[in-house]
Amino acid sequence: QKEVEQNSGPLSVPEGAIASLNCTYSDRGSQSFFWYRQYSGKSPELIMFIYSNGDKEDGRFTAQLNKASQYVSLLIRDSQPSDSATYLCAVAKNSGGYQKVTFGTGTKLQVIP
Amino acid sequence: EAQVTQNPRYLITVTGKKLTVTCSQNMNHEYMSWYRQDPGLGLRQIYYSMNVEVTDKGDVPEGYKVSRKEKRNFPLILESPSPNQTSLYFCASSFTFVRGGDGYTFGSGTRLTVV
Repeated sequence: QKEVEQNSGPLSVPEGAIASLNCTYSDRGSQSFFWYRQYSGKSPELIMFIYSNGDKEDGRFTAQLNKASQYVSLLIRDSQPSDSATYLCAVAKNSGGYQKVTFGTGTKLQVIP
Repeated sequence: EAQVTQNPRYLITVTGKKLTVTCSQNMNHEYMSWYRQDPGLGLRQIYYSMNVEVTDKGDVPEGYKVSRKEKRNFPLILESPSPNQTSLYFCASSFTFVRGGDGYTFGSGTRLTVV
């Protein structure tokens, strides 16, 4: 079982719709959760981070964390063609004195105009 | 501007010719890391450093070396590159990942081809 799992996609949504991206993780000791956006050929950029169960909203983005079920999701409202990218889920925990970060392989999102 | 500067952006080299990819950050971050990204495999950690003179192996360290002599710099060294090290490399830095931290800032990447 992979430590962090994401559906590779592509996930296709029409412009203006809600895109829902999901991520599951295996280590119950995980403490911090991040979503990065990566355009083709570019470096990942942080969109959101969440530490506590529940929802966290920032503009059109909402991160949802459910530690009991070990999943974290990202909702993108009013999707735009510029949102077309690969979205990486990252999970972090303290491990032996350092902070181990594990990335999922990413979900490719396509927003159709 | 707060950033992680990585050089070069593109590099083509021959098998066995030593090379160094430089990485520098201006955010006074303590934590720095190198990743390689390959299709279908995602980002895999090569080495990381928690502070000056403190480095340790990540998940795929074979064939790589690093050093952290100054807080801002974290170069990646390939002593004898091989074709299986052809990949997209990212340097990243962070203040902390624990509660209150905001994760990594990534460099712009280095696309390395070893022929």
